[in-house]
Amino acid sequence: GAVVSQHPSRVICKSGTSVKIECRSLDFQATTMFWYRQFPKQSLMLMATSNEGSKATYEQGVEKDKFLINHASLTLSTLTVTSAHPEDSSFYICSASRTGANEQFFGPGTRLTVL
Amino acid sequence: DAKTTQPNSMESNEEEPVHLPCNHSTISGTDYIHWYRQLPSQGPEYVIHGLTSNVNNRMASLAIAEDRKSSTLILHRATLRDAAVYYCILRVKSNNRKLIWGLGTSLAVNP
Repeated sequence: GAVVSQHPSRVICKSGTSVKIECRSLDFQATTMFWYRQFPKQSLMLMATSNEGSKATYEQGVEKDKFLINHASLTLSTLTVTSAHPEDSSFYICSASRTGANEQFFGPGTRLTVL
Repeated sequence: DAKTTQPNSMESNEEEPVHLPCNHSTISGTDYIHWYRQLPSQGPEYVIHGLTSNVNNRMASLAIAEDRKSSTLILHRATLRDAAVYYCILRVKSNNRKLIWGLGTSLAVNP
């Protein structure tokens, strides 16, 4: 089946530092990857859509200069949370989709805690 | 954005069938109906999707109403591992294939 990995699974950092989260599609090529954020007891909120080789499309209210997304290859997308603050603490989840496919395959998520 | 309505929570007994309903009265002709589920502290897992006809796979069945304004996810024999939040989502073709997530149904399975 289609497997998506995320690294790290858990990260704790100090306020003001930057954190990079990797999302990889292990056994398929992902032309499109999506980044989500989920706060406790809430649903997933789409942050941005990234297509390989082009700039990410951010959802309304998501700061593109704070959440830097790079989709440099068909198997790797990265999300960098710059100058993280405690309110950025959340569960970050990526998903990947094959060209023309209907379903998205999700990574296991990254729990970010900013002290 | 197209919206779906699901009950907040449902309960089932182990090895019994479970029918999870979803209303999507604003669905348009090209919108796919997707179901995903999420276990605590994990990423969502794809369950099934359909357009017009009923669909079956190894995990579940999807029954779609004739007018497509509602659908039902059927788990034929619930197990304890099926306890999760189940999300019914419309994938809007015109919306760059984005999935817009609601609050889902939290399914509890009793042993």
